[in-house]
Amino acid sequence: DTEVTQTPKHLVMGMTNKKSLKCEQHMGHRAMYWYKQKAKKPPELMFVYSYEKLSINESVPSRFSPECPNSSLLNLHLHALQPEDSALYLCASSANMLAVQETQYFGPGTRLLVL
Amino acid sequence: DAKTTQPTSMDCAEGRAANLPCNHSTISGNEYVYWYRQIHSQGPQYIIHGLKNNETNEMASLIITEDRKSSTLILPHATLRDTAVYYCIATSGSRLTFGEGTQLTVNP
Repeated sequence: DTEVTQTPKHLVMGMTNKKSLKCEQHMGHRAMYWYKQKAKKPPELMFVYSYEKLSINESVPSRFSPECPNSSLLNLHLHALQPEDSALYLCASSANMLAVQETQYFGPGTRLLVL
Repeated sequence: DAKTTQPTSMDCAEGRAANLPCNHSTISGNEYVYWYRQIHSQGPQYIIHGLKNNETNEMASLIITEDRKSSTLILPHATLRDTAVYYCIATSGSRLTFGEGTQLTVNP
């Protein structure tokens, strides 16, 4: 099973709302990633968790708050977002971020619209 | 990670081989060349990777030049389902820095 699942598929939220995106994998991977992809642009790395600890934060605004409750689950908590945060949010996982060769497996993404 | 350069778009006839070039002239010795693709509105999908030898799997072949400054991804018999954006990435670890990629359109 090489599947990464993400919920919800679509999300519409107002600028004062609080919402969460969820990502799950059951491949035993110990590295999990959040990417943001604006329309017609490539994915951009936001956060990396390694062994449930935050390893990389690419200077992401604090209105995005990641959480890794266990090795299979990754959340992205959203609060006070702006319309320019509307994008496809992609989750990925890999066996071990410290390895030289690492294949990342991506989920289908959550398409977020901020009104 | 080394910067990669790819053509913006390419066309290919269905059933023919699709050859997608990538330039990575500043690649360092410990950086691998990875290829991912993204079909419209889906998550990126891993295709293949290599260091210096040519590689082949069930999806594609990867040809890396001897000086490692460029590579070519080959889809041997392209189908309509291969229409996607193809990303070439040079990296020595797990951090993927996506460039703009090549939009491959397979035509019937």
